[in-house]
Parts: sequence; C-alpha cells; structure tokens
Amino acid sequence: GAVVSQHPSRVICKSGTSVKIECRSLDFQATTMFWYRQFPKQSLMLMATSNEGSKATYEQGVEKDKFLINHASLTLSTLTVTSAHPEDSSFYICSASRRGSGGAGVPEQYFGPGTRLTVT
Amino acid sequence: GQSLEQPSEVTAVEGAIVQINCTYQTSGFYGLSWYQQHDGGAPTFLSYNGLDGLEETGRFSSFLSRSDSYGYLLLQELQMKDSASYFCAVDSNYQLIWGAGTKLIIKP
Repeated sequence: GAVVSQHPSRVICKSGTSVKIECRSLDFQATTMFWYRQFPKQSLMLMATSNEGSKATYEQGVEKDKFLINHASLTLSTLTVTSAHPEDSSFYICSASRRGSGGAGVPEQYFGPGTRLTVT
Repeated sequence: GQSLEQPSEVTAVEGAIVQINCTYQTSGFYGLSWYQQHDGGAPTFLSYNGLDGLEETGRFSSFLSRSDSYGYLLLQELQMKDSASYFCAVDSNYQLIWGAGTKLIIKP
C-alpha cells in the first residue's frame, strides 16, 4: 500500500505564532500533493495543489502569504500557517497523488492522517 | 459552477444493504471516487470508477453512469464499523472535487 504521514498529529499554539505541518509519502514518489482543511461536520476543502519544484497553486480565497507551502521533494511537502489566529483552528489534511500501475492509470490519492490545529 | 450532490444522512440496519447516491456537475471529469471517513480521522480511499458500470470490492460496490452524471456506492452486509461519513469526489485532472458527505448511521 501507499502510506502518507503527517506531523504533528495535533498542535496547540498561541495566537500570532507560526506552525509548520509536514506531509510525507513514505513508500512512493508523489508528483502532486494537496492540502485540505476541514471544519467540523463539513467536507474537505482544497486549499492548494503542490507540485514538486514549482510554486503551489492556491484555491480562491486562500491567502498564499498566510499558508506557505513548500514542496521540496517528491516525498515531502510542508504547510506553514503563519501568524495563526483562532479562526485558523481546523483539521488540516494532506494527500499525495500518483497514477496507478494498472493499464488504465487510475489516479490514486492517499491521505495523511491529518493534523488538528488549535489556536488559543 | 461545479457541484456534487449526495444525501446528508442515511440510516440502515446492521446486516442490510444501503446505497448512497451521488450526482455531479463539473467542468472536467475523469472519474468518480468514493471515500470513507470515520469521526476524527482522515478520509480513506474506497473505490474509483473511470468507466460506466459496476466496480466490486468485497462488500462495497460502486457504480457510474457518465451519461447521467450519476454514481452510487453500495454497501452490503452492513456492520457497525461501517458507521462513518462517505464522500463522493470527482477526479478533475489530478484534483478532487468533493461532495458534502453522507453520514451513514447503522442501527443494530
């Protein structure tokens, strides 16, 4: 199987500080990584798409200067929430994508376990 | 605009069969995926339909009709552990467009 890890799993920080979340694909190379956030009882909302070696593409309404994404390698992407505020408290989930090995090349997307951020 | 519609909640009895429908309207379409999410966890991939028809994986099956922009997830022999939220998502060229999720409640 394909495993995606996230670190930390949970973080509590004070308002105004910055938090970095790491997303790693452990046993495969991910050409594309995605960052989502999820508020309670709501669907995942895509924040940005990250391709290795290039700038991330942010969704409308997501502040790129606040949510810094770095995709340094085919197995690591980081999301830094800068100057966090209580409204940034959320569940942040990354996923890594690869095309399957089957003939149809079915796209496979594997999710990390998520990081629960609480800003006090 | 782009949208996916699925019921917000479905209730079923343990051992029964339940179908969760998903209709979509998107600018690009490569396939329909289904994900399961337990409370507090990340979504896990269940199935993918790129072509019309039925895909079966154990107790779970997924169906797609591209001409109708419609798909469904079928869960058989329901178990209490299947209680979760189920999301359909359209694969639009490496990006997933998500539905709002269906909460499946299973009663003994």
